[in-house]
Amino acid sequence: GAGVSQSPSNKVTEKGKDVELRCDPISGHTALYWYRQSLGQGLEFLIYFQGNSAPDKSGLPSDRFSAERTGGSVSTLTIQRTQQEDSAVYLCASSFSGFSDNSPLHFGNGTRLTVT
Amino acid sequence: AQSVTQLDSHVSVSEGTPVLLRCNYSSSYSPSLFWYVQHPNKGLQLLLKYTSAATLVKGINGFEAEFKKSETSFHLTKPSAHMSDAAEYFCVVILNRDDKIIFGKGTRLHILP
Repeated sequence: GAGVSQSPSNKVTEKGKDVELRCDPISGHTALYWYRQSLGQGLEFLIYFQGNSAPDKSGLPSDRFSAERTGGSVSTLTIQRTQQEDSAVYLCASSFSGFSDNSPLHFGNGTRLTVT
Repeated sequence: AQSVTQLDSHVSVSEGTPVLLRCNYSSSYSPSLFWYVQHPNKGLQLLLKYTSAATLVKGINGFEAEFKKSETSFHLTKPSAHMSDAAEYFCVVILNRDDKIIFGKGTRLHILP
């Protein structure tokens, strides 16, 4: 079946503009994660959803970042008033239940955000 | 083609015994290599990374990994497993040429009491 889908695949925006990144997890997956990969850095955890609720928001770097998930499916990550340091690849991942023997983590291909 | 292969989908070890999680990569370009751990209900956590400095990299929680260019490997080891090490581990390669991120499929580590 289809994997985790992220859109857009690439986004170039001007500093100060708002952007929305979308993640379509695999159907039936209740757990959804957002990460970002900045140039030269490792993966940085942003937020984790279990269903529509977010038990772990500890990674959101500032109040300009927010995320929501509706209907236990699609999630959007919104960055307001983008800054150049927001430039990164934003990755979404989903799994069936968060953690179980038969619930591997599936990653999307990411959205490459460039703030000019 | 660039790829990352984690040779074992599941590894089971007894508490107090050594851990070996294997990772091989294929890349035409100079890579950065990472190991991440995914605990239940948590996001990915960086264990360690190799970025062309020392080939033996020490990470958190007693883990270490050795970059062996001749073998194109970056295996993760720990001398003595602890119950809290039970998690899923991901080997990740980032191609320095274009920052493309390539994930391994993950290895689930089970710790037997």
